[in-house]
Amino acid sequence: QSVLTQPPSASGTPGQRVTISCSGSSSNIGSHYVYWYQQLPGTAPKLLIYRNNQRPSGVPDRFSGSKSGTSASLAISGLRSEDEADYYCASWDDNLNGPVFGGGTKLTVL
Amino acid sequence: QITLKESGPTLVKPTQTLTLTCTFSGFSLNTYGVGVGWIRQPPGKALEWLALIYWDDDTRYSPSLKSRLTITKDTSKNQVVLTMTNMDPIDTATYYCAHRHDRASGRWFDPWGQGTLVIVSA
Repeated sequence: QSVLTQPPSASGTPGQRVTISCSGSSSNIGSHYVYWYQQLPGTAPKLLIYRNNQRPSGVPDRFSGSKSGTSASLAISGLRSEDEADYYCASWDDNLNGPVFGGGTKLTVL
Repeated sequence: QITLKESGPTLVKPTQTLTLTCTFSGFSLNTYGVGVGWIRQPPGKALEWLALIYWDDDTRYSPSLKSRLTITKDTSKNQVVLTMTNMDPIDTATYYCAHRHDRASGRWFDPWGQGTLVIVSA
């Protein structure tokens, strides 16, 4: 069971906007930044969002992150077929004294 | 450009010790705020953090696996080694190493190696 809670699946049609939630607690999201990773099929995870809402160079501005209290969200606008992937949220946890991941959300583009 | 690559056995027997090596380039593990972490992913399942080692030799372990893990670094070879004792079929997974940015500005893994699949079976 993952420390951070994500819905196991999400879906949308091309062009739509979808959001993926990530729920934690005061010892992780409530006190630390949130990060999002994208894992395309058969590949290693790639950093998508850092420090709650910052995009690394090369990540389209269709991807955005937000955080409020002990929860965070990833939004993808203008959904494209190539966005079909698994998405993981992550943070630091003071109780575990280490990084923690969410259980992942499989995004399907219908 | 930072790159990392994992190496080690594909198949290990139950009770054996697994040794994985992460060979990296493009950064130094002597640099402030830099670390290397190991993360694994069982087939079809989520990511699980295992261990971290930092530029100052500080190490962190997943509490649930701490008794079985050891992480070390060889800065002269640009390598980080993870050992996991008493392997079990439930440890079958793809094991990733990743560059760790760890400063007041934030803590994240980027980039990741390609991963190496480890199967535990008699």
